[in-house]
Amino acid sequence: DAGVIQSPRHEVTEMGQEVTLRCKPISGHDYLFWYRQTMMRGLELLIYFNNNVPIDDSGMPEDRFSAKMPNASFSTLKIQPSEPRDSAVYFCASSLGPYGGDSNTEAFFGQGTRLTVV
Amino acid sequence: DAKTTQPPSMDCAEGRAANLPCNHSTISGNEYVYWYRQIHSQGPQYIIHGLKNNETNEMASLIITEDRKSSTLILPHATLRDTAVYYCIVRGFAGGTSYGKLTFGQGTILTVHP
Repeated sequence: DAGVIQSPRHEVTEMGQEVTLRCKPISGHDYLFWYRQTMMRGLELLIYFNNNVPIDDSGMPEDRFSAKMPNASFSTLKIQPSEPRDSAVYFCASSLGPYGGDSNTEAFFGQGTRLTVV
Repeated sequence: DAKTTQPPSMDCAEGRAANLPCNHSTISGNEYVYWYRQIHSQGPQYIIHGLKNNETNEMASLIITEDRKSSTLILPHATLRDTAVYYCIVRGFAGGTSYGKLTFGQGTILTVHP
């Protein structure tokens, strides 16, 4: 497997524009996580899914942010409208649940999308 | 979710063992302790995890106290490439509204010097 794949790697957009970040998890993984990382706030969990269902979205900053997982192999994080304070690195990660024991439950991270809103 | 407390920074000489502590005094019986690290601007990398017993793999050893309220990650022979931010995380799968949740604290900045 190629690992968790995120696109784009870099995105520069103007304030007010819609931004869509994409993530392809590792095949067979049933957990998917979206994180945002900034110097000030560190690595924040925004939302996570289990079997394509959102379990906890309490980290989503406001209504401008939305995330979907239409199937087991794809997820999107959308910001509409974008603002300069949304500039950050956004990571996606996936993992297995503890089926048959606690092994193989480690989360694997993508390379991240560096978003700059000007 | 069980909270974790780590020192903000630590230093280690190259070739020596690096011992990174973590307190998780509110951990529940079905929660695991995971360790990750993040090198510069890369995505976090899994290191090791455990429930009650000590664990060892090719990267590190994890020592969990008998009461499970704290743990120590040991890098037996630290190299310059081990300089990174190290995160200790508690994660449970036993149900409830946050099963499987994986949240990161501030971590420990480990600097390995020559």
